[in-house]
Amino acid sequence: DAGVIQSPRHEVTEMGQEVTLRCKPISGHNSLFWYRQTMMRGLELLIYFNNNVPIDDSGMPEDRFSAKMPNASFSTLKIQPSEPRDSAVYFCASSLVQNTDTQYFGPGTRLTVL
Amino acid sequence: AQSVTQPDIHITVSEGASLELRCNYSYGATPYLFWYVQSPGQGLQLLLKYFSGDTLVQGIKGFEAEFKRSQTSINLRKPTVHWSDAAEYFCAVGAPNFNKFYFGSGTKLNVKP
Repeated sequence: DAGVIQSPRHEVTEMGQEVTLRCKPISGHNSLFWYRQTMMRGLELLIYFNNNVPIDDSGMPEDRFSAKMPNASFSTLKIQPSEPRDSAVYFCASSLVQNTDTQYFGPGTRLTVL
Repeated sequence: AQSVTQPDIHITVSEGASLELRCNYSYGATPYLFWYVQSPGQGLQLLLKYFSGDTLVQGIKGFEAEFKRSQTSINLRKPTVHWSDAAEYFCAVGAPNFNKFYFGSGTKLNVKP
């Protein structure tokens, strides 16, 4: 079975550039989560979707961050413009049920903003 | 407010020794509890989960956890640690009336030869 797929695995960009991270959840899963992991702040939930609808985006740091889920099999997290403090590993996870079921994590995208 | 606390940031054990990683949660009822492991450069992998029933839960890779309602804890244990267990371990909590899935700050395990 294919797990959660994220692309790219590594991204290096310059400050001010737009960055788009992609995620394909496990087929049949109804919920999708975007997390950010840094040494300083640990694992933070940025936003999650249920049935393609954003439910809680209170973890999104600021307006430079946006996320979409146009269909059940694809989601994007966009940062525009990017800043060095956005450097982190970004994880996507999916689950069958919103918050009572196991979340399955992708391998992550390591973002470096120079 | 709901929260998860992992009081140990780093733990070092010798290979072959036993292991216990602590996790406490804050919630008014019995939540759903999870332990995940993250190897360097990897995503998080589920080790085990507790929803209800038997308070001793078996997981993968020889791990188990015991849920103690009176102590609001679910500590992760392994009788014999292997060098390959060196990783970071995260405790998490979810529940039907939570909006979010809460993760602890993680415990990094180092295994000495």
